[in-house]
Amino acid sequence: KAGVTQTPRYLIKTRGQQVTLSCSPISGHRSVSWYQQTPGQGLQFLFEYFSETQRNKGNFPGRFSGRQFSNSRSEMNVSTLELGDSALYLCASSDPSGGSTDTQYFGPGTRLTVL
Amino acid sequence: QKEVEQNSGPLSVPEGAIASLNCTYSDRVSQSFFWYRQYSGKSPELIMSIYSNGDKEDGRFTAQLNKASQYVSLLIRDSQPSDSATYLCAVETGGFKTIFGAGTRLFVKA
Repeated sequence: KAGVTQTPRYLIKTRGQQVTLSCSPISGHRSVSWYQQTPGQGLQFLFEYFSETQRNKGNFPGRFSGRQFSNSRSEMNVSTLELGDSALYLCASSDPSGGSTDTQYFGPGTRLTVL
Repeated sequence: QKEVEQNSGPLSVPEGAIASLNCTYSDRVSQSFFWYRQYSGKSPELIMSIYSNGDKEDGRFTAQLNKASQYVSLLIRDSQPSDSATYLCAVETGGFKTIFGAGTRLFVKA
């Protein structure tokens, strides 16, 4: 099976702009989680989607939003970009059973730089 | 208190030695525990998952879980230079949310 794919791999934006990142999970995986990774904070949970429903959300401002489509592909959007949003954004997919998120498989990430 | 805590390291061990990585978590209802390895510039990849108390072995890797002490560890036997990476402890806290520790950097000296 093909792995998790994320597009684009690199983005450079300026403050105030908005950005949309895309994630295609492993075929058959219906859970998609998004994380922000920075050197200072490590991996921070953004949100998790399953069957087009957001089941949980991390402690990020409302500028961060996401959605999932019927084919399980997911997008996340960051509006009104700030310098502090510069980070690696990782998407992970899983095939949950028994109500758990279970093992997550990560994509290569999107490196966002805000100038 | 952070939900998942790890010693940031760096932990330096000689080639062939045992590397011991530790993690504590705060949510007692957590049921699923994972160790991920992340090489510099790469995304995390799963090494081990453990769900019940005790030890779980997979090749050179052994994960240990003690729910009463809220403690998870990873032992790497016969450490190799290729094991040099950041090791992330992850805990599924319930509610479809996985919390990662900040990671421990491991250096294996040849």
